[in-house]
Amino acid sequence: DTEVTQTPKHLVMGMTNKKSLKCEQHMGHRAMYWYKQKAKKPPELMFVYSYEKLSINESVPSRFSPECPNSSLLNLHLHALQPEDSALYLCASSQDMGLAGAVVRTDTQYFGPGTRLTVL
Amino acid sequence: GDSVTQMEGPVTLSEEAFLTINCTYTATGYPSLFWYVQYPGEGLQLLLKATKADDKGSNKGFEATYRKETTSFHLEKGSVQVSDSAVYFCALSISGGSNYKLTFGKGTLLTVNP
Repeated sequence: DTEVTQTPKHLVMGMTNKKSLKCEQHMGHRAMYWYKQKAKKPPELMFVYSYEKLSINESVPSRFSPECPNSSLLNLHLHALQPEDSALYLCASSQDMGLAGAVVRTDTQYFGPGTRLTVL
Repeated sequence: GDSVTQMEGPVTLSEEAFLTINCTYTATGYPSLFWYVQYPGEGLQLLLKATKADDKGSNKGFEATYRKETTSFHLEKGSVQVSDSAVYFCALSISGGSNYKLTFGKGTLLTVNP
């Protein structure tokens, strides 16, 4: 099973709203990712969590706040977004393995179906 | 830096035609190579992958061979179907390091007509 689920599928919000995107995987993967994808473009990496710790923040504005409450869940909290933040937000996961005290990364990322976000 | 170049298309074919989408890469180190497919309104699905030189990835009739000498990973299918209409992304990832990044090509839109 290589399924990553995301909710909601669609989200419309105003610039003053606070909302959250949710991502879940049950593959035992210990690395999870948020990407932003604009129309007709490849995905752009936003955040990476490894073993529930934030590993990479690609200089994302603070109006996007990630959270990893446990190894299966990843949230993206949204506040005071701008219309240009409208995009498809994709979650992905991959299998990291703890090996002799180090984290050995494996490459294959599995993506969820995405949340289509519209900011009015 | 690492980069992926793929033919941008759009590519329009008739059903049962032969498909090739070219992908070349530049990378420091030893990358793993991937093809992802994105159907309209959906997320990315892993189509196939190869982790070392001369490996051939295959899935659903699609194939790609990791060619280190030409730094290429071209996607091929012998007979496309209307249901193959989608955007195809070539991507690379550097194995074993602390870098979690997938480097994507710009994507190729494929339309298959009946």
